[in-house]
Amino acid sequence: GGIITQTPKFLIGQEGQKLTLKCQQNFNHDTMYWYRQDSGKGLRLIYYSITENDLQKGDLSEGYDASREKKSSFSLTVTSAQKNEMAVFLCASSQGLRSAETLYFGSGTRLTVL
Amino acid sequence: GDSVTQTEGPVTVSESESLIINCTYSATSIAYPNLFWYVRYPGEGLQLLLKVITAGQKGSSRGFEATYNKETTSFHLQKASVQESDSAVYYCALGDQDYAQGLTFGLGTRVSVFP
Repeated sequence: GGIITQTPKFLIGQEGQKLTLKCQQNFNHDTMYWYRQDSGKGLRLIYYSITENDLQKGDLSEGYDASREKKSSFSLTVTSAQKNEMAVFLCASSQGLRSAETLYFGSGTRLTVL
Repeated sequence: GDSVTQTEGPVTVSESESLIINCTYSATSIAYPNLFWYVRYPGEGLQLLLKVITAGQKGSSRGFEATYNKETTSFHLQKASVQESDSAVYYCALGDQDYAQGLTFGLGTRVSVFP
């Protein structure tokens, strides 16, 4: 089995600050994803990557940058944190390139912006 | 765009009673998307419960079943007799492309099972 590790678990930032979230997987999976979950809402796709150095925008990419310099890691940057923003960011990975593949999720990073 | 609508929670049910969580979907790119149920148990991460990628077929796991109904565009999750350990948040999701482009998730349904 494998694991997806997200760091940090909790992130507190200030308005306007640039914040980076990190995700590591040891499944050797090709595809990685970043989702955002707000209270009372479903998961929304921010970015995904089908291989090292590949980046694809999801529906919620505005305000975010992503980076996949290695197959095992996928980072997400909030370019300018919004005041009173609160959300959970979930990283996931899947083997191969088919949408039928199972997603494996990390435990999440909880963001609070003061 | 794609959408998934599921039973609004919270849902409370007594142990040994039956449970059904409704899920209907709308997919824009392909006629028969891949359909999934994911679950988050208390204190755990989101994980796959079951998936069905062929219309008309049924998936099952941990006593739960869901049938892919292309006529009604539905993928309801059912269990005949729930246990307290089934208390969790359940998410219906669809994959609308043959190749991975992320899933579209419903809002989630929180289920609490009481003894």
